[in-house]
Amino acid sequence: SQTIHQWPATLVQPVGSPLSLECTVEGTSNPNLYWYRQAAGRGLQLLFYSVGIGQISSEVPQNLSASRPQDRQFILSSKKLLLSDSGFYLCAWIRGTGELFFGEGSRLTVL
Amino acid sequence: AQTVTQSQPEMSVQEAETVTLSCTYDTSESDYYLFWYKQPPSRQMILVIRQEAYKQQNATENRFSVNFQKAAKSFSLKISDSQLGDAAMYFCAYRATGNQFYFGTGTSLTVIP
Repeated sequence: SQTIHQWPATLVQPVGSPLSLECTVEGTSNPNLYWYRQAAGRGLQLLFYSVGIGQISSEVPQNLSASRPQDRQFILSSKKLLLSDSGFYLCAWIRGTGELFFGEGSRLTVL
Repeated sequence: AQTVTQSQPEMSVQEAETVTLSCTYDTSESDYYLFWYKQPPSRQMILVIRQEAYKQQNATENRFSVNFQKAAKSFSLKISDSQLGDAAMYFCAYRATGNQFYFGTGTSLTVIP
């Protein structure tokens, strides 16, 4: 079956610390992968999307970066977190039926 | 540029009643997808219903149905026989022929027992 997993589910980090969020898809190959961020009570902001290994498109200039080291793995990183990086991070991929299928999400709190 | 507008930040409905959530979008394309997603307090986004623009028939999924008006660029979601578990944020989304998705700002639905 097709699944998508994100971890960690919850993360509390101090300002200036690094970040690594991981997303893994199972049951498909060469998926289009996305990272979205959702601030408290707000809509979705597209951060990055990837159509293949090593191919990353950035939608928002910021201190976050993304990498796709393997076909079904998508990683969101930061070298130094800011308070404004707090939010709910969602990984997603496009299913064959045309819609985005989302992971469980990772809640990041930067203190 | 494609935009998706949800003009109702909050809605409420009595349990077992029917509620309609509004969504309008702007596009110059003729072939596209429209979606409604539900985000419960647990926060995972879940697909509720999908509509392909070339299909004139409105999509239905059990208690959920849409009113798709292509010329008016309107895509409303109707929830019949509302249940407590329907309480959530609902997002309307648009996908054109590429891989870009556009989301509305969401409607928070409260179900009153």
